[in-house]
Amino acid sequence: GQQLNQSPQSMFIQEGEDVSMNCTSSSIFNTWLWYKQDPGEGPVLLIALYKAGELTSNGRLTAQFGITRKDSFLNISASIPSDVGIYFCAGQKGGGADGLTFGKGTHLIIQP
Amino acid sequence: DVKVTQSSRYLVKRTGEKVFLECVQDMDHENMFWYRQDPGLGLRLIYFSYDVKMKEKGDIPEGYSVSREKKERFSLILESASTNQTSMYLCASSPYGLNTEAFFGQGTRLTVV
Repeated sequence: GQQLNQSPQSMFIQEGEDVSMNCTSSSIFNTWLWYKQDPGEGPVLLIALYKAGELTSNGRLTAQFGITRKDSFLNISASIPSDVGIYFCAGQKGGGADGLTFGKGTHLIIQP
Repeated sequence: DVKVTQSSRYLVKRTGEKVFLECVQDMDHENMFWYRQDPGLGLRLIYFSYDVKMKEKGDIPEGYSVSREKKERFSLILESASTNQTSMYLCASSPYGLNTEAFFGQGTRLTVV
């Protein structure tokens, strides 16, 4: 099955820095979702995007649904130690019954 | 809050054993999914179900089967466990509809020895 192209694969940043990651696809999606996964846990939903061009914030997190419906980005401002983890993008095409297509994740590491 | 609960956090099974992974959701969601997660490969869909007793193969169904006898419960079955099925297994659920969100359980780390 198809996977989304998520980049970067990993990021090493200093506490307080801003972070940006993105996902691209050759296919159109109706919904873009961003998840965070802590070690040994299941992914937790951070932001959901439903319309092309939509920009949504959740605290220090901001995500956008690309105009072409083939891409999305996630920004984290003023990173803190608890932001460490793996961030996944996921796209959904239809009525949800066919599951999500995932990126391979961005591993965020924060150096104090 | 949506709650998706997987019956075990960690399991160790022997090669050839029949293994059951259970998942329960409490939000009356129509759709339920089983994924496996491996380093470098991301999350891959094994099976999904959009209604009771309905099931559809995902990207990697070989060696697995599923059961959905009740709406809230979706079971993943490894008919004869093998070492290459050692992985993190994640269950998810979502309501049916165009713009919906999927919610995950905490995961089951299965080791087959």
